[in-house]
Amino acid sequence: EVQLVESGGGLVQPGGSLRISCAASGFTVSTNYMDWVRQAPGKGLEWVSMITSGGSTYYADSVKGRFTISRDNSQNTLYLQMNSLTTEDTAVYYCAREAPHGGGQPIDYWGQGTLVTVSS
Amino acid sequence: DIQMTQSPSTLSASVGDRVTITCRASQSISSWLAWYQQKPGKAPKLLISKASRLESGAPSRFSGSGSGTEFTLTISSLQPDDFATYYCQQYNSNSRMFGQGTKVEIK
Repeated sequence: EVQLVESGGGLVQPGGSLRISCAASGFTVSTNYMDWVRQAPGKGLEWVSMITSGGSTYYADSVKGRFTISRDNSQNTLYLQMNSLTTEDTAVYYCAREAPHGGGQPIDYWGQGTLVTVSS
Repeated sequence: DIQMTQSPSTLSASVGDRVTITCRASQSISSWLAWYQQKPGKAPKLLISKASRLESGAPSRFSGSGSGTEFTLTISSLQPDDFATYYCQQYNSNSRMFGQGTKVEIK
């Protein structure tokens, strides 16, 4: 059974950093395209970042240069390192898997989300 | 980046109504479009992929159509379980942009 479990969210001050994790089971992170999607309180879904099976990374303009997506193949875990955080980054962050069988697929599995709150 | 625009933002409807939501892309995305349903406090659920392919487990009252830049999600007969927010997402480009969402409310 495919499962995605995020962790590492919490309260951080503006300008601070945080790394959130997504432990995967039931499939191999490194052979799939993986995404981070966030949702600010009361707002819509915002795509944040993607890592391909080949290791290429992509970012939304709103986080480019501040966030870094990565994976640990030995731990089957996806990460999002977030630096220079602002209050605009406050959101639930979802880890998501794109459907297998090649690049360019919809998201078929989502984690439960982890809340990141940026506040002084 | 390809921008996705959904309309309407909010839709009030009654059980049994036929409901249509529109999603427009700022440039052609062929048929690389998905529709998701999200309920409060829950992760989204994939309903339709490749513009019109109904996902396993999604009720047959949901259908999708369109290609290029204009797409629609139709619910043929709205059920109580369908009151939720719906999002389109393009996966044609490496920036997997979502539409801003359409909230389907009880009239």
